[in-house]
Amino acid sequence: SQTIHQWPATLVQPVGSPLSLECTVEGTSNPNLYWYRQAAGRGLQLLFYSVGIGQISSEVPQNLSASRPQDRQFILSSKKLLLSDSGFYLCASIRGHRDYGYTFGSGTRLTVV
Amino acid sequence: AQSVTQLGSHVSVSEGALVLLRCNYSSSVPPYLFWYVQYPNQGLQLLLKYTTGATLVKGINGFEAEFKKSETSFHLTKPSAHMSDAAEYFCAVRSAGKSTFGDGTTLTVKP
Repeated sequence: SQTIHQWPATLVQPVGSPLSLECTVEGTSNPNLYWYRQAAGRGLQLLFYSVGIGQISSEVPQNLSASRPQDRQFILSSKKLLLSDSGFYLCASIRGHRDYGYTFGSGTRLTVV
Repeated sequence: AQSVTQLGSHVSVSEGALVLLRCNYSSSVPPYLFWYVQYPNQGLQLLLKYTTGATLVKGINGFEAEFKKSETSFHLTKPSAHMSDAAEYFCAVRSAGKSTFGDGTTLTVKP
């Protein structure tokens, strides 16, 4: 079975500072990977997804970017954080070719101050 | 386009009572349907899924859901609530390679 590791669990960053959140996947190869953001009391907003190394699709134009330097590594970045970037960030992968349920990481709580 | 509507952002039940969380979807093609559970400050965990075949699907922790195409619904039920079921629940639809989540329903279980 797949396991997703995300770190850090919590992060407090000042406005204008850079951001790097990392996600790594165990137990599978060539997964589809996703970054979601969850605002308080709201559903999940898809930010980026990747079907392979170096392949990134952006769903929402914004202050963030993503990269996939290795098959099982997915990174979310920002050069300058905004207050509106605060939220709960979740990395996810699709479990297998026929099973389209997600496996999620434990998330990173980002507070921009 | 597809969408998911979860009726009731908050549901409260007594311990031992029936749990019913409602989900309606719209999709232009036959969808895959999912329920996820999220405990505070954690990621989402897959409870159950419908892809094809039997329309009544059973998941973990005693939950089950029934796909009703005519009603475009996929409601989540559990016969007897436990305190440990208190969490947020998300319904999701996947079709044409894209997933859409509902806004979630917070389940409170009273002793």
